[in-house]
Amino acid sequence: KNEVEQSPQNLTAQEGEFITINCSYSVGISALHWLQQHPGGGIVSLFMLSSGKKKHGRLIATINIQEKHSSLHITASHPRDSAVYICAATPPGIQGAQKLVFGQGTRLTINP
Amino acid sequence: SAVISQKPSRDICQRGTSLTIQCQVDSQVTMMFWYRQQPGQSLTLIATANQGSEATYESGFVIDKFPISRPNLTFSTLTVSNMSPEDSSIYLCSARRDRAPDTQYFGPGTRLTVL
Repeated sequence: KNEVEQSPQNLTAQEGEFITINCSYSVGISALHWLQQHPGGGIVSLFMLSSGKKKHGRLIATINIQEKHSSLHITASHPRDSAVYICAATPPGIQGAQKLVFGQGTRLTINP
Repeated sequence: SAVISQKPSRDICQRGTSLTIQCQVDSQVTMMFWYRQQPGQSLTLIATANQGSEATYESGFVIDKFPISRPNLTFSTLTVSNMSPEDSSIYLCSARRDRAPDTQYFGPGTRLTVL
């Protein structure tokens, strides 16, 4: 079993729908990251959070430390949101020296 | 945020040749990382490259196959040596700022195809 699990692996939705991508982790963490990877391969860091909730535009990320679970939500989805979304955990340790543990990614396709 | 650039963005290479990928960060960083992403897979850490010391390789990766240079605090190179089709992947450079060690920035990736 992977230390970081995402669901679903693939998600197709219509433009305008509310999207939720889930991430569960079995390791202790000091932070959890949500990353976005576009078809060209480049990765953008969307959020880094260790508690509560963060919002940026139409994107919302939440984390429940007790349940070891995080969600990424997209409101009013748009075809340009189509990408692979990756959850990654930073284990505790010497700050800056920890190695990210990656989920397998969720491929999101938003149809017009 | 940090801006990371990589060159080349993509390349098609012949079996048995080598390719050097360059990574440039717009500010000084202590820790840089090289990842590989094979088709349909998640990211796998190849090595950690700290300026002033030898790169630290993860299990399954060796210096002879993936030599890394880190000549200064803003630049690193990864060479994929004696390539085979199994090396076809996206190679990503990543860095952490010293002042924000929990935040990790990624480059645009180099898409390598080996024929």
